[in-house]
Amino acid sequence: SAVISQKPSRDICQRGTSLTIQCQVDSQVTMMFWYRQQPGQSLTLIATANQGSEATYESGFVIDKFPISRPNLTFSTLTVSNMSPEDSSIYLCSVEGPPLGETQYFGPGTRLLVL
Amino acid sequence: QQQVKQSPQSLIVQKGGISIINCAYENTAFDYFPWYQQFPGKGPALLIAIRPDVSEKKEGRFTISFNKSAKQFSLHIMDSQPGDSATYFCAAKEGAQKLVFGQGTRLTINP
Repeated sequence: SAVISQKPSRDICQRGTSLTIQCQVDSQVTMMFWYRQQPGQSLTLIATANQGSEATYESGFVIDKFPISRPNLTFSTLTVSNMSPEDSSIYLCSVEGPPLGETQYFGPGTRLLVL
Repeated sequence: QQQVKQSPQSLIVQKGGISIINCAYENTAFDYFPWYQQFPGKGPALLIAIRPDVSEKKEGRFTISFNKSAKQFSLHIMDSQPGDSATYFCAAKEGAQKLVFGQGTRLTINP
């Protein structure tokens, strides 16, 4: 299984600022996913990031608010821009495989509190 | 049609008992059904998964039962232990499409 690390593990931010979350995987992966998990809730997919192409955003999420970079096959960043208290959530990075097209593995998450 | 409905929302089981969590779906094209376990402060971890060509899969104390005709699948935890206390999520996927998650079940095992 893939080993995924995220930085920072948690942060407290002020309204109106931006935070960039890093995701590092120990192996090369084609597809990386970013999820949001609000307190006590299920996981909601923000976007899918493939290396070499623009990220694909789910309904309700836009690139201006959640810009994503995918510079190589082992790394991605998610930026939460112009934050408000409603952005307080756990942000999770996830990768697919092995086997490809099936299993998804999740990172430990970044716990964000916006004041 | 893309929803996966999970129940119950919370569950309390005595140590040594059987924990049962149920999920139902509508999309008959779903072909992969994983269960994730999430402890507080951690990311979800893949627990066990099944494809619709089998009716049951067992790994240790964890069993998935799959009923294709009823479009339902369930997780059974045998001999439940306090260390099993966590939130469990079922999910479903169609081919290369995204995972669709259930709402989650908070399981508490009383010692």
